[in-house]
Amino acid sequence: KAGVTQTPRYLIKTRGQQVTLSCSPISGHRSVSWYQQTPGQGLQFLFEYFSETQRNKGNFPGRFSGRQFSNSRSEMNVSTLELGDSALYLCASRQGTASNEKLFFGSGTQLSVL
Amino acid sequence: ILNVEQSPQSLHVQEGDSTNFTCSFPSSNFYALHWYRWETAKSPEALFVMTLNGDEKKKGRISATLNTKEGYSYLYIKGSQPEDSATYLCAPGDSNSGYALNFGKGTSLLVTP
Repeated sequence: KAGVTQTPRYLIKTRGQQVTLSCSPISGHRSVSWYQQTPGQGLQFLFEYFSETQRNKGNFPGRFSGRQFSNSRSEMNVSTLELGDSALYLCASRQGTASNEKLFFGSGTQLSVL
Repeated sequence: ILNVEQSPQSLHVQEGDSTNFTCSFPSSNFYALHWYRWETAKSPEALFVMTLNGDEKKKGRISATLNTKEGYSYLYIKGSQPEDSATYLCAPGDSNSGYALNFGKGTSLLVTP
């Protein structure tokens, strides 16, 4: 069974640009969550999608958005990039959204904003 | 979203030492507590998911306990090995936050031979 796949692996952008990251969950998993990892901040929750609907959203500005498709693949978009958006973005999938279901993480997309 | 505290922030032990770390979280509306291990250059991997007060789970030399009434969980590693070097993350889930998992900043463990 293939794991969670994130593309691209690395990305370099400049301030003001926008970026779209992609996440393909494990087959059969309908929930996809996105996290941002910056030095000293730990994994910060961005949002979670289930069956094409956003279920939860973390404390991030509206420049961060996402969506989920009918095949459970998810994309995350960041508009008007700022230097502080440089981070590792991880997505994770699970079958449902119950708190006792463990997350399976992808390898992440390392975004650098210059 | 729950406020999660993990301590210590980092830990350096010798091979063979036993160690433990703490995860603290608000006890109200608690639903589940996750522990993950994140090794350098890899993805975080789930160690345990616990839901019941007094729960104790074990995986090899690693075990975890849960106290939902006072809002804490301990992770123990017996006889640490260099391959245990990683960041250990905990994440509680609660009903009020829609079951989203909010992670602590983690405990970074370094085990030297």
